[in-house]
Amino acid sequence: NAGVTQTPKFQVLKTGQSMTLQCAQDMNHEYMSWYRQDPGMGLRLIHYSVGAGITDQGEVPNGYNVSRSTTEDFPLRLLSAAPSQTSVYFCASSYAVPGQGAYEQYFGPGTRLTVT
Amino acid sequence: GENVEQHPSTLSVQEGDSAVIKCTYSDSASNYFPWYKQELGKGPQLIIDIRSNVGEKKDQRIAVTLNKTAKHFSLHITETQPEDSAVYFCAATESYSGGGADGLTFGKGTHLIIQP
Repeated sequence: NAGVTQTPKFQVLKTGQSMTLQCAQDMNHEYMSWYRQDPGMGLRLIHYSVGAGITDQGEVPNGYNVSRSTTEDFPLRLLSAAPSQTSVYFCASSYAVPGQGAYEQYFGPGTRLTVT
Repeated sequence: GENVEQHPSTLSVQEGDSAVIKCTYSDSASNYFPWYKQELGKGPQLIIDIRSNVGEKKDQRIAVTLNKTAKHFSLHITETQPEDSAVYFCAATESYSGGGADGLTFGKGTHLIIQP
């Protein structure tokens, strides 16, 4: 299994440009999420999905769109990039461990985005 | 919503000594507490987790303790080795709220440095 893959690894955008960060998982996990990581801020949830066709907003959704047409893919779209969106973006997938009341979340390697 | 505080932000210990990282949470409904390790340039990786019906859990050199009354939980690493150097994140959630996709609230991280 490749696990959770993200492309690109690095990206530089100019203010106002749009782009899509790609995320795919091959573990057949039902749940997927997008986080951003900023220095001293930890991980903050942008959007998440509990299954194909179902998405919802997290803590910091403004300026981002998502869709989940398949179980495997969960792309994140930046509509009009702003310098405040300079960050490292992580995609994650998770599943509920049967009978444990817990779940394991797997993160991708991240995309480092700079907006100038 | 849930708020997770993590201390210290940086921890430097001699190789072979023990390291302890502490977290507190605010929502008494939270019942699942995972810990993640993030190495430089990589995504966070789940290393251990604990549910609220358990006071302590061990996995080789790492252990996690939970005090529900005080709403705090801690990560203990014994016999530290150079490969333990990383950033560690705690998290908390009420389990089964979206399979972890929406429910995890992260601490801001602890940079653990193992001195040779």
